[in-house]
Amino acid sequence: NAGVTQTPKFRVLKTGQSMTLLCAQDMNHEYMYWYRQDPGMGLRLIHYSVGEGTTAKGEVPDGYNVSRLKKQNFLLGLESAAPSQTSVYFCASLGQGNTEAFFGQGTRLTVV
Amino acid sequence: AQSVTQPDIHITVSEGASLELRCNYSYGATPYLFWYVQSPGQGLQLLLKYFSGDTLVQGIKGFEAEFKRSQSSFNLRKPSVHWSDAAEYFCAVGSTGGGNKLTFGTGTQLKVEL
Repeated sequence: NAGVTQTPKFRVLKTGQSMTLLCAQDMNHEYMYWYRQDPGMGLRLIHYSVGEGTTAKGEVPDGYNVSRLKKQNFLLGLESAAPSQTSVYFCASLGQGNTEAFFGQGTRLTVV
Repeated sequence: AQSVTQPDIHITVSEGASLELRCNYSYGATPYLFWYVQSPGQGLQLLLKYFSGDTLVQGIKGFEAEFKRSQSSFNLRKPSVHWSDAAEYFCAVGSTGGGNKLTFGTGTQLKVEL
């Protein structure tokens, strides 16, 4: 019962570097989400997907791209990292007709 | 657009005292409402949820919350706080369409004094 797994758990990037965060879920959920968490701001939605091959912008999408080539995976990309993207990133998934989303354990990203 | 307000950034209570964390929401229809707890360095754990029916919902760890439509509120309560309840608490509202997105409040940090 892995649930939602995020890779990596920690990462330090230099400004301008790129990286991809991977979210994998084994519950056959249709919906997947990427959030960022910053002190005093709660969790804010970056991008989300309502199914394989679809993506949509959330509240704070600038500087990020996503892809959902396979139903079980949702990738979050940073093409050119900036210090403002230092944050904790959470992935979540939700099944069709369900009301409870399942969250990963988070990825702590520091951009220096 | 849906939104959530948690007016208290920090709350300190003594162990054994009662607790109420406030949450107000804005949503055009009947909302799905949630409370999550996050311990330092950890992920989010669902405490309880409301989507229909009885407006008083029971959750895990002895928590409960009451949905009050007239006040657009969903306050979290616990009759007797334990030191292990120290954590950050997030209220969230879920949409019933358009991706079923969750919108979170900014959180309330709970400190428990022994």
